[in-house]
Amino acid sequence: NAGVTQTPKFQVLKTGQSMTLQCAQDMNHNSMYWYRQDPGMGLRLIYYSASEGTTDKGEVPNGYNVSRLNKREFSLRLESAAPSQTSVYFCASALGGGEKLFFGSGTQLSVL
Amino acid sequence: GQQLNQSPQSMFIQEGEDVSMNCTSSSIFNTWLWYKQDPGEGPVLLIALYKAGELTSNGRLTAQFGITRKDSFLNISASIPSDVGIYFCAGRTGNQFYFGTGTSLTVIP
Repeated sequence: NAGVTQTPKFQVLKTGQSMTLQCAQDMNHNSMYWYRQDPGMGLRLIYYSASEGTTDKGEVPNGYNVSRLNKREFSLRLESAAPSQTSVYFCASALGGGEKLFFGSGTQLSVL
Repeated sequence: GQQLNQSPQSMFIQEGEDVSMNCTSSSIFNTWLWYKQDPGEGPVLLIALYKAGELTSNGRLTAQFGITRKDSFLNISASIPSDVGIYFCAGRTGNQFYFGTGTSLTVIP
């Protein structure tokens, strides 16, 4: 099992460019999450999807959009990248409420 | 968002020593999780706790879910060099998980 797979691993954007971060899980999990990790600030929730067909804002949703394409895939889109969005992005999934959260290996994004 | 206070921020210990770190919150959580993160990788789940007072071990790691449901601790016994990394606590309420800011552990051989 691959678990949670994120692409790309690294990305450099110019201010104003757009891009989509892809995430897929093969564990038949219902819930999927996008976090960003910044030095000294831990992991902060951007958006999550409790089940296929639903998405909800987390702690820091501004500047991002998400799509739960199907049960396996949950993408994160930056419509107009800003330097403040330079971060490491992690996708995660869980079977359902109360279950363990499993992470992908991350996407390191730099916005110049 | 929910605030989880994790301490200490960093630790430098000799190989073979025991390590203790903890996480506190002003909010009640239904689940506490402990993760380890190596450089360039995603966090890896170490221990999950589901009930107040629960004490769970995973090899040399032991974690407890506080009675008040607002805190948790992680102990590592007889540390080894591969224990180096950043340890995160996480608390769950509803469908959301909230994370501490991490404890950076350095083990000196």
